[in-house]
Amino acid sequence: QQQVKQSPQSLIVQKGGISIINCAYENTAFDYFPWYQQFPGKGPALLIAIRPDVSEKKEGRFTISFNKSAKQFSLHIMDSQPGDSATYFCAASILGSARQLTFGSGTQLTVLP
Amino acid sequence: DTGVSQDPRHKITKRGQNVTFRCDPISEHNRLYWYRQTLGQGPEFLTYFQNEAQLEKSRLLSDRFSAERPKGSFSTLEIQRTEQGDSAMYLCASSLRSEGDTQYFGPGTRLTVL
Repeated sequence: QQQVKQSPQSLIVQKGGISIINCAYENTAFDYFPWYQQFPGKGPALLIAIRPDVSEKKEGRFTISFNKSAKQFSLHIMDSQPGDSATYFCAASILGSARQLTFGSGTQLTVLP
Repeated sequence: DTGVSQDPRHKITKRGQNVTFRCDPISEHNRLYWYRQTLGQGPEFLTYFQNEAQLEKSRLLSDRFSAERPKGSFSTLEIQRTEQGDSAMYLCASSLRSEGDTQYFGPGTRLTVL
């Protein structure tokens, strides 16, 4: 019930292309869905987050699409750049659980120059 | 730098030894979280403090793990009688309840148990 499944495990995209990472969850009590970006040797950094009352949120080149009925959400990176090469984690949390995050297994993104 | 800091950044120890890690959250953040991240996986929640109160500790991996936040500021995570399976990155995060849900992570402490 607490699991968040993430795919693909790795992704290679050409510079300027669109990177798409998908996540699915089972627990309908989740009500907050952040995406984190992690570079080697660093802690995860919040990229963008969404709540289930909206279907899409955009911040710069990053967009979250949310499908409540399918219990799926995805991250789209437009005009991908080599500097975007990192590991991306989706996560989910519940208000009543003090917001402890349940993370997906991560996607290693490589953007080729 | 006003971000979350962790010390040490790297720790190598022999099996059976005790280790302690420190986390200094962002100033005035009242919530503090500990996570463990193994290679190729996402962080896994361990425990959580609101101010000095440890409100969730059932996810600590065993009774060898303990955490404190004595004055509601910095926190320590101790692992007693370390095992090779404890080798991982230990991450600390903090948040401010009034600011909602954003957790800010520190750089982590990489533990290697020989």
